Amino acid sequence: SQQGEEDPQALSIQEGENATMNCSYKTSINNLQWYRQNSGRGLVHLILIRSNEREKHSGRLRVTLDTSKKSSSLLITASRAADTASYFCATDPRSTLGRLYFGRGTQLTVWP
Amino acid sequence: DTAVSQTPKYLVTQMGNDKSIKCEQNLGHDTMYWYKQDSKKFLKIMFSYNNKELIINETVPNRFSPKSPDKAHLNLHINSLELGDSAVYFCASSQDKTGDDEKLFFGSGTQLSVL
Repeated sequence: SQQGEEDPQALSIQEGENATMNCSYKTSINNLQWYRQNSGRGLVHLILIRSNEREKHSGRLRVTLDTSKKSSSLLITASRAADTASYFCATDPRSTLGRLYFGRGTQLTVWP
Repeated sequence: DTAVSQTPKYLVTQMGNDKSIKCEQNLGHDTMYWYKQDSKKFLKIMFSYNNKELIINETVPNRFSPKSPDKAHLNLHINSLELGDSAVYFCASSQDKTGDDEKLFFGSGTQLSVL
């Protein structure tokens, strides 16, 4: 299949700690994106990293991409209770323009 | 003010019925999508329309028929509903087709329960 797979499936941490989520995929990509989904809501785009980029930052978010290992990680620093949500990676394969393939997400719970 | 809005938010119906979900985006985007999220949160693309033309039909049963009257609207009609159709259906839009570093803007979802 072409979708990304997030790891771990669930992550539980205390406020102030860092949260790291990983994504692996199988095909060559144009870009990889991370989205966030609060319970009962739609997905919200967080960050996009192109295949020729290795690292990208946005506020407390840091995304890395290793195309040789076909993997990406999302780091949320100094987490807050409001960061509690599911986080999805989505790949944009070169072979199937117009499609974004999502994984099943990592459920992050941040305890106050 | 909602960028991508879909209705209804909840839909409970009996097997065999026909139902529709409506979606509208006010972002001026050219491309709209339907995604299905199952109970395990797996999100899968169903359809994509670019400027009212179907560009993706991802092996979806023909009981599902999308309709795009204009580029701001993409509706989903489902005939002869089955238990396995129970899921959350998300509408989304992007400026252009993904493949050009496009990000998706999602609606808040329609929870469909088939009894």
